[in-house]
Amino acid sequence: QVRLQESGPGLVKPSQTLSLICTVSGGSISSGGYYWTWIRQHPGKGLEWIGYIFYSGSTDYNPSLKSRVTISVDTSKNQFSLNLSSVTAADTAVYYCARESQGGAHYYGVDVWGQGTTVTVSS
Amino acid sequence: SYELTQPPSVSVSPGQTASITCSGDKLGDKYVCWYQQKTGQSPVLVIYEDDKRPSGIPERISGSNSGSTATLTISGTQTIDEADYYCQAWDSSAGVFGGGTKLTVL
Repeated sequence: QVRLQESGPGLVKPSQTLSLICTVSGGSISSGGYYWTWIRQHPGKGLEWIGYIFYSGSTDYNPSLKSRVTISVDTSKNQFSLNLSSVTAADTAVYYCARESQGGAHYYGVDVWGQGTTVTVSS
Repeated sequence: SYELTQPPSVSVSPGQTASITCSGDKLGDKYVCWYQQKTGQSPVLVIYEDDKRPSGIPERISGSNSGSTATLTISGTQTIDEADYYCQAWDSSAGVFGGGTKLTVL
């Protein structure tokens, strides 16, 4: 059973870069058919898709965040990471790492979620 | 950018049928997923590819998608179904979530 665990600072200062790591256990991040994804949820609000990475390194990002987001993968450590630059209070949220499953013309959804980690942007 | 619209809240009596809608331009041409999120927990996938249930999801939860509206239907609603529900679709290689619907069972 694949499990995902987020880790990283819970507090980031404005204008700095938010950095989170997601560790994958119970399966290989290099398995085909999966996209490794970051999703966030502002306090009391809905879900916001940030972006994903395939094990090969190909990425796609939310257009509204694209200029500030970088997602990378380290297959040797079975981890993928999120960097969000120039953060403001509006980036305060619970950040989830997750696994999306796709295959050909099929989309199987986000079928595995981490527990989420709260990141607060404040000086 | 692509938008998905959900009603903020839906109320239903126990044992009745709850329907939660999700609207978007030509949504019927895309695959829709639905997620259930209970307070303080991570979301759980309950429907994928419009109408398919992952293993472990009860048959009373179903989905449909046509035209510009996708619908999540919960038959014989129970108190354990009280949660926030989010629809999701893909547009131009990016995921998009609806704003979420709070389902109240009372």
